[in-house]
Amino acid sequence: DAKTTQPNSMESNEEEPVHLPCNHSTISGTDYIHWYRQLPSQGPEYVIHGLTSNVNNRMASLAIAEDRKSSTLILHRATLRDAAVYYCILIENAGNMLTFGGGTRLMVKP
Amino acid sequence: GAVVSQHPSRVICKSGTSVKIECRSLDFQATTMFWYRQFPKQSLMLMATSNEGSKATYEQGVEKDKFLINHASLTLSTLTVTSAHPEDSSFYICSAREMRGSNQPQHFGDGTRLSIL
Repeated sequence: DAKTTQPNSMESNEEEPVHLPCNHSTISGTDYIHWYRQLPSQGPEYVIHGLTSNVNNRMASLAIAEDRKSSTLILHRATLRDAAVYYCILIENAGNMLTFGGGTRLMVKP
Repeated sequence: GAVVSQHPSRVICKSGTSVKIECRSLDFQATTMFWYRQFPKQSLMLMATSNEGSKATYEQGVEKDKFLINHASLTLSTLTVTSAHPEDSSFYICSAREMRGSNQPQHFGDGTRLSIL
């Protein structure tokens, strides 16, 4: 699977929007962009995924650059419960495995 | 929504003990399940891919005789850490994906924290 690059950590204030960036300059045309997050002492949790178009669900929005070499996970109003490590992962269409990088540790300040 | 149950959540045992961890998909069938290991302040590392009815596929550097995987049904995979030693202490996490579609999210268990004394 193609590699992704994320900042090690980010800080946000509670109830403010958070934009978590991910670079994936070597993405191929069939790679899907997946986001997972891991709260402390828990297994990862699926957040959102997309291919080319921006995506919205109840947890977050995913904005994908036109050239697909980067994407941004948007939490519209951060809460303290959103403090977690967020992983951006590329999966080829027929792929199976998730390869976790370092992720971004999001800290939310009250 | 899809749920994966992992049991036990925590194990503390003596060196030399074998420990079995169960991973169940509660409301869907999973032909493939995955086992990960996570050391403190590190990311998840894939250990093996568990395939229902066939042998597991292990990642490089993971000893198949030490980490025995059995995937006997479409809803259950087990990982047995044989003759565990302190260096095997880690957070073990399983995941599964619903059968339909190759581009579906994976669902993770809550992990098993294994501590070997």
